[in-house]
Amino acid sequence: DAMVIQNPRYQVTQFGKPVTLSCSQTLNHNVMYWYQQKSSQAPKLLFHYYDKDFNNEADTPDNFQSRRPNTSFCFLDIRSPGLGDAAMYLCATSRDGQGNLGSDTQYFGPGTRLTVL
Amino acid sequence: RKEVEQDPGPFNVPEGATVAFNCTYSNSASQSFFWYRQDCRKEPKLLMSVYSSGNEDGRFTAQLNRASQYISLLIRDSKLSDSATYLCVVNGGFGNEKLTFGTGTRLTIIP
Repeated sequence: DAMVIQNPRYQVTQFGKPVTLSCSQTLNHNVMYWYQQKSSQAPKLLFHYYDKDFNNEADTPDNFQSRRPNTSFCFLDIRSPGLGDAAMYLCATSRDGQGNLGSDTQYFGPGTRLTVL
Repeated sequence: RKEVEQDPGPFNVPEGATVAFNCTYSNSASQSFFWYRQDCRKEPKLLMSVYSSGNEDGRFTAQLNRASQYISLLIRDSKLSDSATYLCVVNGGFGNEKLTFGTGTRLTIIP
């Protein structure tokens, strides 16, 4: 059974047209993460939520926003996608990362591959 | 210096051989260490966690050397299905839920 679900799996959008990617989890984990991964590169953390607390990475462009309306769901909004935003977007969860063994292990969804035309 | 450094490969290894990957990390406060496997155009999947000096799971052995800030992954009796990119992943320290990923080492097992 899928534990971290991402929709859609493939998204095509036009330059400048807003897009929303969604992630849901059945693990009841406290922490949810959004990563951007381009070809042959490491996943790059955009931001994460610890419960309702939003933590933005310093180099994440303002074009990227996120919402977490409840424990299970988290959304990535790209307000004005550029050609350089074409990538795989990965959602991940972890229990809490607060020092307990295994609590910081991250579990990934299958990703959404974004194409910008 | 990169926070997590790996040899990018590619490693082309005959089926049945043993292969070892190395990884170094710069944050001496890191407490949790992982190896993830990522197939082409798929998500990373946890292969092994390493919290003490090492961990073994079947054909896979991970070793940690905190003094040298070095982690290794050994794959014995390699199989065609082991072909993937292997990501070395390190946490930011005790109580830090963020992970830092290496760029990965690409492995191809040759029949």
